[in-house]
Amino acid sequence: EVQLVESGGGLVQPGGSLRLSCAASGFRFSSYSLTWVRQAPGKGLEWISYISSSDGAQYAGSVKGRFTVSRDNAKNSLSLQMYNLRAEDTAVYYCAREVGYCATTSCSHYYYGLDVWGHGTTVTVS
Amino acid sequence: DIQMTQSPSSLSASVGDRVTITCRASQSVNSYLNWYQQKSGKVPKFLIYGASNLQGGVPSRFSGSGSGTEFTLTINNLQPEDFATYYCQQSFSTPYTFGQGTRVEIK
Repeated sequence: EVQLVESGGGLVQPGGSLRLSCAASGFRFSSYSLTWVRQAPGKGLEWISYISSSDGAQYAGSVKGRFTVSRDNAKNSLSLQMYNLRAEDTAVYYCAREVGYCATTSCSHYYYGLDVWGHGTTVTVS
Repeated sequence: DIQMTQSPSSLSASVGDRVTITCRASQSVNSYLNWYQQKSGKVPKFLIYGASNLQGGVPSRFSGSGSGTEFTLTINNLQPEDFATYYCQQSFSTPYTFGQGTRVEIK
């Protein structure tokens, strides 16, 4: 079964740090890009970070310079190191697998979407 | 960053209705547009990619259309299990921003 399981959430004081982990199973982890998405209480989804299969990372402006995404393909694990946490970082954090579908007949471009999601881990900054 | 705006923010509908949700991008995203469904307390589910392509296992009553800056998600013959919040997301350029969501409620 394809599965993602997040851990590491908890209560942290403003300015503190936390490291989230996401354990993957049931698929070839090294072949996929992965994304962190968060959802503040009662709010919508926010894309915050991405790491490609070749370790290229991208961040949303709201977390850039404070969060660092990394992966360990040998351990089928994704991490999100969060520094200088703020009250507005309070949210459920999901890791998700990115799947790509050919957008052209030559597959020169792909449509990307998040097809597998973990159940999330809750971070509370207070 | 590309801003995604959905309308309406919420709607009430009855079982059997046809529902249409609109998503507008602040700049063209070509057809790089996804739709997700999130039921209360649950994980988001991937519905549509490339603006109009159904993800495997998604019922055919769901359909998507549009390109450029304006997109629609249509649900025909609304079923009880379709009451949820729907999000669009652009995958044209990072950050792959989401819309604010549209809540579909039971009338």
